Amino acid sequence: DAGVIQSPRHEVTEMGQEVTLRCKPISGHDYLFWYRQTMMRGLELLIYFNNNVPIDDSGMPEDRFSAKMPNASFSTLKIQPSEPRDSAVYFCASSPGAGASSYNEQFFGPGTRLTVL
Amino acid sequence: SQQGEEDPQALSIQEGENATMNCSYKTSINNLQWYRQNSGRGLVHLILIRSNEREKHSGRLRVTLDTSKKSSSLLITASRAADTASYFCATASISSGSARQLTFGSGTQLTVLP
Repeated sequence: DAGVIQSPRHEVTEMGQEVTLRCKPISGHDYLFWYRQTMMRGLELLIYFNNNVPIDDSGMPEDRFSAKMPNASFSTLKIQPSEPRDSAVYFCASSPGAGASSYNEQFFGPGTRLTVL
Repeated sequence: SQQGEEDPQALSIQEGENATMNCSYKTSINNLQWYRQNSGRGLVHLILIRSNEREKHSGRLRVTLDTSKKSSSLLITASRAADTASYFCATASISSGSARQLTFGSGTQLTVLP
Protein backbone atom coordinates (compact mmCIF):
# COMPACT_ATOMS: atom_id res chain seq x y z
CA ASP A 1 0.00 0.00 0.00
CA ALA A 2 1.30 3.44 -0.88
CA GLY A 3 0.14 5.00 2.37
CA VAL A 4 -1.58 8.36 2.64
CA ILE A 5 -0.62 10.60 -0.27
CA GLN A 6 -0.59 14.37 -0.03
CA SER A 7 0.09 16.98 -2.67
CA PRO A 8 1.77 19.29 -3.10
CA ARG A 9 4.59 18.63 -0.62
CA HIS A 10 5.54 22.30 -0.58
CA GLU A 11 3.49 25.34 -1.48
CA VAL A 12 4.62 28.95 -1.48
CA THR A 13 1.99 31.55 -2.26
CA GLU A 14 1.25 35.19 -1.73
CA MET A 15 -1.26 36.59 0.70
CA GLY A 16 -4.75 36.68 -0.76
CA GLN A 17 -4.27 33.75 -3.08
CA GLU A 18 -6.34 30.59 -2.97
CA VAL A 19 -4.57 27.45 -1.81
CA THR A 20 -5.80 23.89 -2.32
CA LEU A 21 -4.22 20.96 -0.52
CA ARG A 22 -5.01 17.42 -1.63
CA CYS A 23 -5.11 14.07 0.11
CA LYS A 24 -5.61 10.47 -0.96
CA PRO A 25 -6.28 8.23 2.05
CA ILE A 26 -5.33 4.59 2.34
CA SER A 27 -7.76 2.48 0.34
CA GLY A 28 -10.50 1.03 2.51
CA HIS A 29 -10.09 3.49 5.37
CA ASP A 30 -13.34 5.00 6.59
CA TYR A 31 -11.98 8.03 8.43
CA LEU A 32 -10.01 10.99 7.16
CA PHE A 33 -8.51 13.73 9.29
CA TRP A 34 -6.95 17.10 8.48
CA TYR A 35 -4.41 18.55 10.95
CA ARG A 36 -2.29 21.67 11.08
CA GLN A 37 1.10 21.75 12.82
CA THR A 38 2.91 24.90 13.94
CA MET A 39 5.62 25.56 16.49
CA MET A 40 3.32 27.80 18.50
CA ARG A 41 0.17 25.68 18.57
CA GLY A 42 1.45 22.17 17.97
CA LEU A 43 -0.73 19.67 16.11
CA GLU A 44 -4.35 20.76 15.80
CA LEU A 45 -7.26 18.79 14.38
CA LEU A 46 -9.09 20.90 11.81
CA ILE A 47 -11.82 18.56 10.57
CA TYR A 48 -12.52 14.89 10.14
CA PHE A 49 -14.75 12.80 7.89
CA ASN A 50 -16.41 9.41 8.31
CA ASN A 51 -17.45 7.70 5.09
CA ASN A 52 -16.99 11.01 3.22
CA VAL A 53 -19.29 12.92 5.60
CA PRO A 54 -17.83 15.75 7.73
CA ILE A 55 -18.31 14.84 11.38
CA ASP A 56 -16.60 17.62 13.31
CA ASP A 57 -15.27 20.84 11.79
CA SER A 58 -15.00 22.76 15.05
CA GLY A 59 -11.24 23.02 14.59
CA MET A 60 -11.48 24.92 11.32
CA PRO A 61 -10.07 28.34 12.20
CA GLU A 62 -12.47 30.49 10.22
CA ASP A 63 -14.61 30.72 7.13
CA ARG A 64 -11.57 31.07 4.94
CA PHE A 65 -10.99 27.36 5.43
CA SER A 66 -13.13 24.69 3.79
CA ALA A 67 -12.74 20.96 3.29
CA LYS A 68 -14.47 18.48 1.04
CA MET A 69 -14.44 14.76 0.49
CA PRO A 70 -16.27 14.06 -2.77
CA ASN A 71 -15.45 10.36 -2.66
CA ALA A 72 -13.69 7.76 -0.54
CA SER A 73 -10.33 8.26 -2.24
CA PHE A 74 -9.94 12.03 -2.31
CA SER A 75 -10.19 15.05 -0.04
CA THR A 76 -9.25 18.71 -0.36
CA LEU A 77 -8.54 21.46 2.12
CA LYS A 78 -8.95 24.92 0.66
CA ILE A 79 -7.88 28.27 2.07
CA GLN A 80 -9.33 31.34 0.38
CA PRO A 81 -7.95 33.94 0.79
CA SER A 82 -4.71 32.81 2.37
CA GLU A 83 -2.91 34.87 5.03
CA PRO A 84 0.66 34.71 6.38
CA ARG A 85 -0.61 33.25 9.68
CA ASP A 86 -1.83 30.21 7.74
CA SER A 87 1.78 29.20 7.19
CA ALA A 88 2.16 25.72 8.70
CA VAL A 89 2.51 22.05 7.85
CA TYR A 90 -0.83 20.49 7.01
CA PHE A 91 -1.23 16.77 7.54
CA CYS A 92 -3.85 14.39 6.31
CA ALA A 93 -4.39 11.10 8.15
CA SER A 94 -6.71 8.16 7.63
CA SER A 95 -8.00 5.41 9.85
CA PRO A 96 -9.75 2.10 9.18
CA GLY A 97 -13.26 1.23 10.22
CA ALA A 98 -14.32 -0.53 13.42
CA GLY A 99 -13.83 -3.99 11.95
CA ALA A 100 -10.07 -3.60 11.54
CA SER A 101 -7.58 -4.59 14.22
CA SER A 102 -5.90 -1.19 14.02
CA TYR A 103 -9.12 0.79 13.96
CA ASN A 104 -8.01 3.36 16.54
CA GLU A 105 -4.71 4.04 14.81
CA GLN A 106 -4.21 6.98 12.48
CA PHE A 107 -1.92 6.77 9.46
CA PHE A 108 -0.39 10.08 8.50
CA GLY A 109 0.69 11.43 5.16
CA PRO A 110 4.01 13.25 4.68
CA GLY A 111 2.37 16.66 5.00
CA THR A 112 2.23 19.82 2.90
CA ARG A 113 4.44 22.69 4.03
CA LEU A 114 2.57 25.90 3.25
CA THR A 115 4.26 29.28 3.24
CA VAL A 116 2.13 32.36 2.69
CA LEU A 117 4.18 35.48 1.96
CA SER B 1 -6.61 22.91 22.78
CA GLN B 2 -3.94 20.46 23.77
CA GLN B 3 -5.07 17.64 26.02
CA GLY B 4 -1.72 16.03 26.61
CA GLU B 5 1.41 17.73 27.80
CA GLU B 6 4.71 15.94 27.44
CA ASP B 7 7.60 16.19 29.80
CA PRO B 8 10.42 16.89 29.22
CA GLN B 9 10.17 19.10 26.15
CA ALA B 10 13.63 17.94 25.08
CA LEU B 11 15.80 15.00 26.08
CA SER B 12 19.35 14.18 25.03
CA ILE B 13 20.91 10.81 25.86
CA GLN B 14 23.74 8.54 24.77
CA GLU B 15 23.16 5.55 22.55
CA GLY B 16 22.37 2.47 24.63
CA GLU B 17 20.74 4.42 27.45
CA ASN B 18 17.04 4.31 28.23
CA ALA B 19 14.74 7.25 27.45
CA THR B 20 11.63 8.03 29.45
CA MET B 21 8.99 10.52 28.36
CA ASN B 22 5.90 11.47 30.31
CA CYS B 23 2.47 12.66 29.28
CA SER B 24 -0.26 14.23 31.38
CA TYR B 25 -3.80 14.79 30.25
CA LYS B 26 -6.94 16.41 31.62
CA THR B 27 -10.13 14.53 30.79
CA SER B 28 -11.26 10.90 30.96
CA ILE B 29 -9.97 8.87 28.06
CA ASN B 30 -10.91 5.87 25.98
CA ASN B 31 -7.31 5.20 24.99
CA LEU B 32 -3.92 6.88 24.81
CA GLN B 33 -1.52 6.51 21.91
CA TRP B 34 2.12 7.39 21.29
CA TYR B 35 3.39 8.59 17.92
CA ARG B 36 6.85 9.34 16.57
CA GLN B 37 7.69 12.10 14.10
CA ASN B 38 11.03 12.24 12.33
CA SER B 39 12.11 15.65 11.12
CA GLY B 40 10.15 16.73 8.06
CA ARG B 41 7.94 13.64 8.08
CA GLY B 42 4.45 12.62 9.11
CA LEU B 43 3.62 10.99 12.42
CA VAL B 44 3.94 7.24 12.84
CA HIS B 45 1.86 5.26 15.32
CA LEU B 46 3.92 3.41 17.93
CA ILE B 47 1.63 1.92 20.52
CA LEU B 48 -1.88 2.21 21.97
CA ILE B 49 -2.94 1.57 25.55
CA ARG B 50 -6.59 1.38 26.56
CA SER B 51 -8.03 3.01 29.65
CA ASN B 52 -8.43 -0.36 31.40
CA GLU B 53 -4.79 -1.34 30.80
CA ARG B 54 -1.87 -0.36 33.01
CA GLU B 55 1.14 -1.44 31.00
CA LYS B 56 1.93 -2.51 27.47
CA HIS B 57 5.07 -3.60 25.65
CA SER B 58 6.09 -3.55 22.02
CA GLY B 59 9.68 -4.43 21.21
CA ARG B 60 11.90 -1.87 22.97
CA LEU B 61 8.88 0.23 23.93
CA ARG B 62 7.10 0.10 27.25
CA VAL B 63 4.06 2.25 27.98
CA THR B 64 2.38 2.70 31.33
CA LEU B 65 -0.93 4.37 32.09
CA ASP B 66 -2.16 5.70 35.42
CA THR B 67 -5.73 6.91 34.96
CA SER B 68 -5.97 8.08 38.59
CA LYS B 69 -3.13 10.52 37.95
CA LYS B 70 -4.12 11.10 34.32
CA SER B 71 -0.61 10.33 33.17
CA SER B 72 1.32 7.99 30.92
CA SER B 73 4.97 7.26 30.31
CA LEU B 74 6.86 5.93 27.32
CA LEU B 75 10.11 4.09 27.92
CA ILE B 76 12.48 3.33 25.07
CA THR B 77 15.13 0.86 26.15
CA ALA B 78 18.62 0.50 24.66
CA SER B 79 18.18 3.63 22.55
CA ARG B 80 19.72 3.97 19.09
CA ALA B 81 20.64 7.00 17.02
CA ALA B 82 17.70 6.13 14.75
CA ASP B 83 15.34 6.77 17.69
CA THR B 84 16.10 10.49 17.38
CA ALA B 85 12.71 12.07 16.72
CA SER B 86 9.82 13.91 18.36
CA TYR B 87 7.44 11.77 20.38
CA PHE B 88 3.80 12.73 20.92
CA CYS B 89 1.11 11.33 23.13
CA ALA B 90 -2.44 11.50 21.84
CA THR B 91 -5.63 10.92 23.76
CA ALA B 92 -9.01 9.72 22.59
CA SER B 93 -11.36 11.41 25.01
CA ILE B 94 -14.65 9.91 26.11
CA SER B 95 -16.20 13.39 26.24
CA SER B 96 -15.31 14.28 22.66
CA GLY B 97 -18.17 12.18 21.38
CA SER B 98 -15.93 10.00 19.29
CA ALA B 99 -13.03 7.83 20.34
CA ARG B 100 -11.68 8.43 16.84
CA GLN B 101 -10.85 12.04 17.57
CA LEU B 102 -7.32 12.39 18.95
CA THR B 103 -5.88 15.35 20.83
CA PHE B 104 -2.11 15.56 20.59
CA GLY B 105 0.33 16.84 23.17
CA SER B 106 3.17 19.23 22.53
CA GLY B 107 5.78 16.52 22.09
CA THR B 108 9.20 15.56 23.45
CA GLN B 109 12.21 16.03 21.19
CA LEU B 110 14.53 13.07 21.79
CA THR B 111 18.12 13.19 20.62
CA VAL B 112 20.20 10.02 20.86
CA LEU B 113 23.90 10.71 20.53
CA PRO B 114 26.11 8.04 18.95
